[in-house]
Amino acid sequence: DIVMTQSPLSLPVTPGEPASISCRSNQSLLHNTGSNYLDWYLQKPGQSPQLLIYLGSRRASGVPDRFSGSGSGTDFTLKINRVEAEDVGVYYCMQVLQTPPTFGQGTKVEIK
Amino acid sequence: DVHLVESGGGLVQPGGSLRLACAASGFTFRTYSFNWVRQAPGKGLEWISYISSSTSTRYYADSVKGRFTFSRDDATNSVFLQMNNLGVDDTAVYYCVRESDYGSFDYWGQGTLVTVSS
Repeated sequence: DIVMTQSPLSLPVTPGEPASISCRSNQSLLHNTGSNYLDWYLQKPGQSPQLLIYLGSRRASGVPDRFSGSGSGTDFTLKINRVEAEDVGVYYCMQVLQTPPTFGQGTKVEIK
Repeated sequence: DVHLVESGGGLVQPGGSLRLACAASGFTFRTYSFNWVRQAPGKGLEWISYISSSTSTRYYADSVKGRFTFSRDDATNSVFLQMNNLGVDDTAVYYCVRESDYGSFDYWGQGTLVTVSS
């Protein structure tokens, strides 16, 4: 199974400031189509997870443009341009290149 | 709008069985694959099963293989998870998840809680 490792696991943020989360895999997620099969999800408190970013860098429908995904191969980053209070929750990366799909441990983002 | 609504969770004794259901609406059900993902209390996300649009392909996590069975009924726009020989480690919220063309989990249900306890 592909192992996904996120850092940090806890991220205090200041509204209006940028924030970033790292996700690393122990195998390349680059498909021969040229796409990276890496997603980002946000689970807000008391809610189900929601898709933010797919194929490494594509924003899902309705996701604000302050969220961006980057990276390739084994190293990926989720960036929030200017954090808003509604962005608090646990962020997960997930690889969908191979079965079983595997998640990172989660990064808890909270307001300072 | 896409909606996924799970049901069937509850309290069950170790060794018991439950059948979860997920009713879908707002899209062409038969053309999509689905997954079940679970989350133990205070823990992260764990993928447990997949079913393809044609039902010809199913995958299971090692933790549930041989005990859980994923099925679907395109006539009623529903998927089901039959869970047998449940153990305390199966206690979790179970999410029904639609899979996009890119393999992403683009829509999630609200989840149903399964508690395995004596």
